[in-house]
Amino acid sequence: QKEVEQNSGPLSVPEGAIASLNCTYSDRGSQSFFWYRQYSGKSPELIMSIYSNGDKEDGRFTAQLNKASQYVSLLIRDSQPSDSATYLCAVKVLGTYKYIFGTGTRLKVLA
Amino acid sequence: GAGVSQSPSNKVTEKGKDVELRCDPISGHTALYWYRQRLGQGLEFLIYFQGNSAPDKSGLPSDRFSAERTGESVSTLTIQRTQQEDSAVYLCASSVRLPGLAGVVEQFFGPGTRLTVL
Repeated sequence: QKEVEQNSGPLSVPEGAIASLNCTYSDRGSQSFFWYRQYSGKSPELIMSIYSNGDKEDGRFTAQLNKASQYVSLLIRDSQPSDSATYLCAVKVLGTYKYIFGTGTRLKVLA
Repeated sequence: GAGVSQSPSNKVTEKGKDVELRCDPISGHTALYWYRQRLGQGLEFLIYFQGNSAPDKSGLPSDRFSAERTGESVSTLTIQRTQQEDSAVYLCASSVRLPGLAGVVEQFFGPGTRLTVL
C-alpha cells in the first residue's frame, strides 16, 4: 500500500471553474502536509502547507485537512490555464525530517 | 537571491560508468535533501543531511548510491556502475525551518539533473 496516494489524472476543468485535488495518506500520526506545483520539465514549488484540521486559504488556493479520514485536498478557485501543472502532495513522516510524496495529479485547465 | 543550483543539468552516460551530481544549496540552509523522480512519477526520497548530524540514508536504493556533504555547503550524489533503471531526474532541495513549528521545514528545489543511462 502506497503511503501517499493521489489520482494521476489528468483532471480537466474549464477556465474559471474550481479544481479539486485529493490526497490520502496512510500514517495516522502525520501532522504536516504540503502541496507542490510542478510544471512540465521544471522542479516542484511549494504552494500550500497545512497542519491543522479544517481549511486554510491563500488567494485562489484552499487546502483542506481531515486527519480522521486521513485526507488532504487542494481547491483552486477561478482556475486559469496557467494553473495547468502536476500537483504533488507531500506528507512529513512523524519524528523525522523525511517527506513522502505522492505521484501527483496532472491538472489541465481548458481555455 | 540565488536559489538551489544543480550541475550538470543533463548527463548522458553509458551503462557501468560512474556519475557524480552536484548540488549547491541556498546559503544558510542547514538541511539538504536528494530525491529521484522517474518519468511520470512522484519524488522518491534518497538521502537527507542536517547540519553535522549523521545523514538519513534510508532512501538510497542500493550500495551503488552514495552522497556526501561538507558542512552546510555543497553536496554530491555519486552513482557507481550506473544501470538503465537509474535514468531519472535527480532533484536536490535545501530547507529552512519554519518558525514555531518543531521539525517542519519548507523545501526549495533546484532545477534537477536529468540522467540518462544508455
